[in-house]
Amino acid sequence: DARVTQTPRHKVTEMGQEVTMRCQPILGHNTVFWYRQTMMQGLELLAYFRNRAPLDDSGMPKDRFSAEMPDATLATLKIQPSEPRDSAVYFCASGSRPLTDTQYFGPGTRLTVL
Amino acid sequence: RKEVEQDPGPFNVPEGATVAFNCTYSNSASQSFFWYRQDCRKEPKLLMSVYSSGNEDGRFTAQLNRASQYISLLIRDSKLSDSATYLCVVKGGGNKLTFGTGTQLKVEL
Repeated sequence: DARVTQTPRHKVTEMGQEVTMRCQPILGHNTVFWYRQTMMQGLELLAYFRNRAPLDDSGMPKDRFSAEMPDATLATLKIQPSEPRDSAVYFCASGSRPLTDTQYFGPGTRLTVL
Repeated sequence: RKEVEQDPGPFNVPEGATVAFNCTYSNSASQSFFWYRQDCRKEPKLLMSVYSSGNEDGRFTAQLNRASQYISLLIRDSKLSDSATYLCVVKGGGNKLTFGTGTQLKVEL
């Protein structure tokens, strides 16, 4: 049963610290998405990769957030420096375009910035 | 105006009831439509795609009205296990999915 995996599942950190979240997409999937979910805003797309190339990161605050795919099995989302307003659940999802628009979500990283 | 709008609920219904959710979208050029389900503290999962002709999957029926730009989800014979948040999702240009903030359903005994 292929799944998207994310680490860590929970992270508590202090304001100003660097946070790195990792995602392993489903093997063979060529698209990776990073989302942030809060009660107020719902699910917001932060960044989107296809075949490891960043296609859209317009939803991401560029001054502190960065997203990369060093290889096909790993996507990272980094926040430096972190702020309390970054507290949210961060989901990674993968898909297989153009075969399907379906996205498969990982379990998420629950981030709390104190 | 938000790109995708949903009534947040909660919808509290007794087991066995029929319940319907609507969702409106603002971009008339939107190409694909979906309903995702999200259980408490879990990730969203695809429930069903929504086709112009409407589609049914067991107790679930989804319909699309392009002229009025809304999507609906009907759940018949609700079960306790249907309790979740239902996310309306619209695909626009650039392969991006835009999620509504969700409608919460609580099915009670």
